[in-house]
Amino acid sequence: RKEVEQDPGPFNVPEGATVAFNCTYSNSASQSFFWYRQDCRKEPKLLMSVYSSGNEDGRFTAQLNRASQYISLLIRDSKLSDSATYLCVVNWNRDDKIIFGKGTRLHILP
Amino acid sequence: DTAVSQTPKYLVTQMGNDKSIKCEQNLGHDTMYWYKQDSKKFLKIMFSYNNKELIINETVPNRFSPKSPDKAHLNLHINSLELGDSAVYFCASSQDRFDSSGNTIYFGEGSWLTVV
Repeated sequence: RKEVEQDPGPFNVPEGATVAFNCTYSNSASQSFFWYRQDCRKEPKLLMSVYSSGNEDGRFTAQLNRASQYISLLIRDSKLSDSATYLCVVNWNRDDKIIFGKGTRLHILP
Repeated sequence: DTAVSQTPKYLVTQMGNDKSIKCEQNLGHDTMYWYKQDSKKFLKIMFSYNNKELIINETVPNRFSPKSPDKAHLNLHINSLELGDSAVYFCASSQDRFDSSGNTIYFGEGSWLTVV
């Protein structure tokens, strides 16, 4: 099983729709979880951290399921500007290892 | 003001050459990183330094040598470049070692290396 696995997509979604994607991780000792966003030919930028109780930031909701070892990202009322690649990031403290998923490509269609 | 800046942004060079990529951060962070993103968009950590001390050294050919003259700078030198080294190299920094949920990684804009 890969350390961090994401559906590469692309997800083609009409503007205004709700879209969700998951990320699974293999190490049950993983401590910290994040979603980063990367636009085409740009650097990754933090979108949001993922907390155990789940958290929301505007149209974005992140969830963590430790039992099944996955995190999810939900985007409501999607905008054209949401088109990007969403990278799942997992950290476990033991060796400062930070693992990026390969990303899920999202295309919002007008 | 760019928080994490790296130069050059684009580099085209021949196989066998030696090249360096420089990185500087003005955020006062203690930890800096080099990541490689290949053609399949897989972002993989290469090195991490904390206060000039090497803390992560993933399985990277020893043709790649990082150098941290101070905690605000982490340069990457590559000897005997190969075709497979073509990728985007991202420098990054974070306040401390990546061990808390509040510890964001800030990336530079990337250096696009093409080896011909």
